[in-house]
Amino acid sequence: GQQLNQSPQSMFIQEGEDVSMNCTSSSIFNTWLWYKQEPGEGPVLLIALYKAGELTSNGRLTAQFGITRKDSFLNISASIPSDVGIYFCAGAYSGAGSYQLTFGKGTKLSVIP
Amino acid sequence: DSGVTQTPKHLITATGQRVTLRCSPRSGDLSVYWYQQSLDQGLQFLIQYYNGEERAKGNILERFSAQQFPDLHSELNLSSLELGDSALYFCASSPRTRDPAFFGQGTRLTVV
Repeated sequence: GQQLNQSPQSMFIQEGEDVSMNCTSSSIFNTWLWYKQEPGEGPVLLIALYKAGELTSNGRLTAQFGITRKDSFLNISASIPSDVGIYFCAGAYSGAGSYQLTFGKGTKLSVIP
Repeated sequence: DSGVTQTPKHLITATGQRVTLRCSPRSGDLSVYWYQQSLDQGLQFLIQYYNGEERAKGNILERFSAQQFPDLHSELNLSSLELGDSALYFCASSPRTRDPAFFGQGTRLTVV
């Protein structure tokens, strides 16, 4: 089946630093999504990307849909303690009314105040 | 709060038993998805329903089944439970089949 490689697996950063994480796939997707999950909660949608090359921001978060359609990047600027959590990328290739997300294994972010 | 409601939040049951997990999608969402999250496998897609019809199947075991009812709520039935079925089970919903999905808080299933 499809596999997403998400890196890094974990990050420890100082408050105020910028963060970058990425996902690569062996298959192409026509949608890339980024979610954040905190303990005891379900994943929360951060950013959705629909076109190759698309760059989308949500506050301090910026994500890009790679031009090969096989990768995506998420950047967080000026990190704050509440950015702590696990960030997941997810790719989807929808067709014939079906839509299933393939998730990366997550990047665990820790922010040191 | 995503608007997706899952019950129960926690479930502890014995091996060999059968359980039913329930999901109420966001108001107006026609598509419902079930995912399993375990430490070793991560988030895995199980199954998708759209307006009562099954639309996609992922890594769902034959011991598991799901359905979506006319009022659009969905149930995931897990039978002949094994220790390895212990996991978080998430329901997600979206308005149509190509919209991003919003996740509920999950049901934590522990099989003992």
